[in-house]
Amino acid sequence: EAGVAQSPRYKIIEKRQSVAFWCNPISGHATLYWYQQILGQGPKLLIQFQNNGVVDDSQLPKDRFSAERLKGVDSTLKIQPAKLEDSAVYLCASSDNGYSTNEKLFFGSGTQLSVL
Amino acid sequence: QQPVQSPQAVILREGEDAVINCSSSKALYSVHWYRQKHGEAPVFLMILLKGGEQKGHDKISASFNEKKQQSSLYLTASQLSYSGTYFCGTITDSNYQLIWGAGTKLIIKP
Repeated sequence: EAGVAQSPRYKIIEKRQSVAFWCNPISGHATLYWYQQILGQGPKLLIQFQNNGVVDDSQLPKDRFSAERLKGVDSTLKIQPAKLEDSAVYLCASSDNGYSTNEKLFFGSGTQLSVL
Repeated sequence: QQPVQSPQAVILREGEDAVINCSSSKALYSVHWYRQKHGEAPVFLMILLKGGEQKGHDKISASFNEKKQQSSLYLTASQLSYSGTYFCGTITDSNYQLIWGAGTKLIIKP
């Protein structure tokens, strides 16, 4: 079974530039999550999709971050403009149906973003 | 409210045992445990639901103490492959969102 795919693996940009990350979840998984993981900390949920609808985006800095999941499959997370404090690993995860919060999450390897 | 993990880091010799704790200030509904190796994706270990259950996964097991609002992860006869950072995630009775602890870094030396 193919895992959660993310790209790019690494990205270095200057502050005020824009950047986009892509995620393709496990086939058939209805729920997709984007997490931000700052070095030395646990993952912080940015946004959760159920199919192509947003379930929770309460911690997404909407003035600069946006995400979409067209057709309920793959997803893109964008930052525009980037700030120094956005330097982190951006993890994508998926789960089977998401109707239960007690589901196993499958994570991608993440995109490591460095903002200079 | 972020769960508190302890210790922050632990260094063991291969074959030694370790305990990692995860505590919450609020009543817990469930506790989720994941391991993340450096530069890799977090990998699922187990989920415990309230009710004081204990689960096992090879030589890794965990308990959930509802009264203490705490879960403990037990690693028995540790192997080199157990090295990594262990994260607990908690869901409380008042907020059905998974919140992650800061992690416990486990280093196993031969």
